[in-house]
Amino acid sequence: NAGVTQTPKFQVLKTGQSMTLQCAQDMNHEYMSWYRQDPGMGLRLIHYSVGAGITDQGEVPNGYNVSRSTTEDFPLRLLSAAPSQTSVYFCASTKGGQFYEQYFGPGTRLTVT
Amino acid sequence: AQTVTQSQPEMSVQEAETVTLSCTYDTSESDYYLFWYKQPPSRQMILVIRQEAYKQQNATENRFSVNFQKAAKSFSLKISDSQLGDAAMYFCAYMGRETSGSRLTFGEGTQLTVNP
Repeated sequence: NAGVTQTPKFQVLKTGQSMTLQCAQDMNHEYMSWYRQDPGMGLRLIHYSVGAGITDQGEVPNGYNVSRSTTEDFPLRLLSAAPSQTSVYFCASTKGGQFYEQYFGPGTRLTVT
Repeated sequence: AQTVTQSQPEMSVQEAETVTLSCTYDTSESDYYLFWYKQPPSRQMILVIRQEAYKQQNATENRFSVNFQKAAKSFSLKISDSQLGDAAMYFCAYMGRETSGSRLTFGEGTQLTVNP
């Protein structure tokens, strides 16, 4: 198993550009989440999904879109990047009934200039 | 809403000594999990230890143990016999079983330095 994979590892964007952060897992996990990590603030939940076709907002959803067309993939879209979205982004997945076992991806460091 | 607070942005310890990292949380739920995650410079999030709220016994994992005080809503991490490899950012996290599903609420983090 590859676990949770994220691409790219690093990305630099200009203000106003759009991009998609990819997240995939091969463990057949129903639940997937996106977090952002900023200095002094820990990780904060952006969006999450409880299964294919079902998504919901977390604590800081503004400026981000998600969709979940398959169990394996949970992409995070930035429609018009802003400097405030400079952060490290983590994807996580877990299996229903085993929420105590979260699997994190390696993270994507995004810089918006 | 649940909140998690880590009041120590930075801590340091001498190699082979013991250090305790503090964490407090606020929740109205009665059934939940608490976690400590380690984040080394590689950025990978590594689960160190977890505690189920309904278990009175404090969790231990080798050199890592917790002091879980449910009434005080306190969840500290003790690292014994500190090693250079323990140097990392440590995050305390909460997950409510009733309402939060798989969602984690994290504290601000504590940067631990281990001095040789």
